[in-house]
Amino acid sequence: GQNIDQPTEMTATEGAIVQINCTYQTSGFNGLFWYQQHAGEAPTFLSYNVLDGLEEKGRFSSFLSRSKGYSYLLLKELQMKDSASYLCAVKDSNYQLIWGAGTKLIIKP
Amino acid sequence: IAGITQAPTSQILAAGRRMTLRCTQDMRHNAMYWYRQDLGLGLRLIHYSNTAGTTGKGEVPDGYSVSRANTDDFPLTLASAVPSQTSVYFCASSDGQSGGANVLTFGAGSRLTVL
Repeated sequence: GQNIDQPTEMTATEGAIVQINCTYQTSGFNGLFWYQQHAGEAPTFLSYNVLDGLEEKGRFSSFLSRSKGYSYLLLKELQMKDSASYLCAVKDSNYQLIWGAGTKLIIKP
Repeated sequence: IAGITQAPTSQILAAGRRMTLRCTQDMRHNAMYWYRQDLGLGLRLIHYSNTAGTTGKGEVPDGYSVSRANTDDFPLTLASAVPSQTSVYFCASSDGQSGGANVLTFGAGSRLTVL
């Protein structure tokens, strides 16, 4: 079966750095996405990786290793507004998105 | 404001009743999707439409139906609601290209409670 694993919850301190991991087992691979979802709101797109390596976008970076079925989202200089759930999703060989359950990130002052 | 509008925002429904969740987008996106989101689970695809006039079944289509009469509207109907359909429903759209990022834009969600 297809599976996306990410931690259920993480806690970090304002101003610090946090890394949210995502491992996947899917039938084929056509890209990996990270979305941010604040409580009670819609998911919004953060990043897309299709090749191995690091993609940097401001305070957020996303890394992909296809051989290891692994990605992480790195958030730097954490702000209180970064408190949200972070969803990892993989596009499989049929171009269907498989979603992880999300990681709830709690930022403490 | 460009985006996706969903209605209603929330609804409490008696089991056995029929319910239609509305979704309208103004981005002229070809593809539209309905997901449900339940605690502890990833988003699950109910139905999708790659272009106006076509629809397809997702991972959890049973008990739901959709139509795509035009580019902008993609309503989701529960013919006879059951308590297990209590969930938050998200409509989404994309430009529909299979390759590339094909980023999804989501509506604000409809919270449905079936008693």
